[in-house]
Amino acid sequence: DAGVIQSPRHEVTEMGQEVTLRCKPISGHNSLFWYRQTMMRGLELLIYFNNNVPIDDSGMPEDRFSAKMPNASFSTLKIQPSEPRDSAVYFCASSGRRGYQETQYFGPGTRLLVL
Amino acid sequence: AQSVTQLDSQVPVFEEAPVELRCNYSSSVSVYLFWYVQYPNQGLQLLLKYLSGSTLVESINGFEAEFNKSQTSFHLRKPSVHISDTAEYFCAVSEGTYKYIFGTGTRLKVLA
Repeated sequence: DAGVIQSPRHEVTEMGQEVTLRCKPISGHNSLFWYRQTMMRGLELLIYFNNNVPIDDSGMPEDRFSAKMPNASFSTLKIQPSEPRDSAVYFCASSGRRGYQETQYFGPGTRLLVL
Repeated sequence: AQSVTQLDSQVPVFEEAPVELRCNYSSSVSVYLFWYVQYPNQGLQLLLKYLSGSTLVESINGFEAEFNKSQTSFHLRKPSVHISDTAEYFCAVSEGTYKYIFGTGTRLKVLA
């Protein structure tokens, strides 16, 4: 199994630009998570999808952030416009079955720097 | 509400020495517990987990953790560490839903 795939691995952009992060979950998994990791706040859950439907987006910082999951094998996290405080490592994770605590498998992350 | 406390932000230890990384949690219900490891510039990898059954769980690379309900702890131990164990270790708790609560992490630095 290829594991969770994220792209790009690194992104450097200027304040005000749109940033799109991509994730391909493990085949067969029906839960997908976007996390943000910073030194100050640690690991934060941004949004959780189940069967392609957003279930919990309470962690999304503000309207500049949006996430979609058009199908079971692809999700995007978009920041528009980006700000320097968005600089962080963004992880995507996936897990197996709804309603049962399955292990979350993490991707390698996207390291975002907003100048 | 759930919470996870990793009291030690950094733990330096000499190679081949034993190590314990502490994790305490608070929850009013039954929990599932996890330890993840993050090597530099990589994602989190599952190290071991407790879902039910035996309170002592082991990983393939020599780590073990024991679930202690009375102490609300899930400390991670290894009897002899290697340089390659240098990484950041995260404890996480779940009350059986999708939501994990992660600790702030402990940086393990193994010294030669």
